[in-house]
Amino acid sequence: DAKTTQPNSMESNEEEPVHLPCNHSTISGTDYIHWYRQLPSQGPEYVIHGLTSNVNNRMASLAIAEDRKSSTLILHRATLRDAAVYYCILRVHNNDMRFGAGTRLTVKP
Amino acid sequence: DAGVIQSPRHEVTEMGQEVTLRCKPISGHNSLFWYRQTMMRGLELLIYFNNNVPIDDSGMPEDRFSAKMPNASFSTLKIQPSEPRDSAVYFCASSFSAGGGETQYFGPGTRLLVL
Repeated sequence: DAKTTQPNSMESNEEEPVHLPCNHSTISGTDYIHWYRQLPSQGPEYVIHGLTSNVNNRMASLAIAEDRKSSTLILHRATLRDAAVYYCILRVHNNDMRFGAGTRLTVKP
Repeated sequence: DAGVIQSPRHEVTEMGQEVTLRCKPISGHNSLFWYRQTMMRGLELLIYFNNNVPIDDSGMPEDRFSAKMPNASFSTLKIQPSEPRDSAVYFCASSFSAGGGETQYFGPGTRLLVL
């Protein structure tokens, strides 16, 4: 299975942009790159996903490297409510989704 | 929509007892997933169903664990007999499968403590 590598933790100041990196050097051509986050004491929630092109939605932006071996989740203005564990996941099969350790984001006021 | 509904939200039981966790997926979704989360192992996929049929149960720890989906709106995860190492948060998620990349919607989880 293709795997992802993320930093264990990151810190950000409130109202500032946050760039969360993810390496996936063994990604295959059909793997989608998904990002989920898990707020304290809650289930994971979908953030964004993409295949080749950069993607934007109301929550975040996803920048995918041209060779697809890495990607970056961008939170444009971090708020205290964005403090969570962020997971970068490759969809190996249609429905199979394997979570890694993720990046714990701390947002400082 | 009410989202994915799980019950109970918390369960405390004694070793050896049977535990049944329940999940109601989002209406219209045709895929259902059971995950387990512990500090040591993180989030693990236990089993998933597509159109009520188990597709991959390779994540089920052992024969003490079983999962069923008798219809499109209900699934159970049963542990019999339960052991202290089964203590974890169990999440159910659902999605509409149309060929790949579908978003999974997670329930709030059931926090299980086996004494």
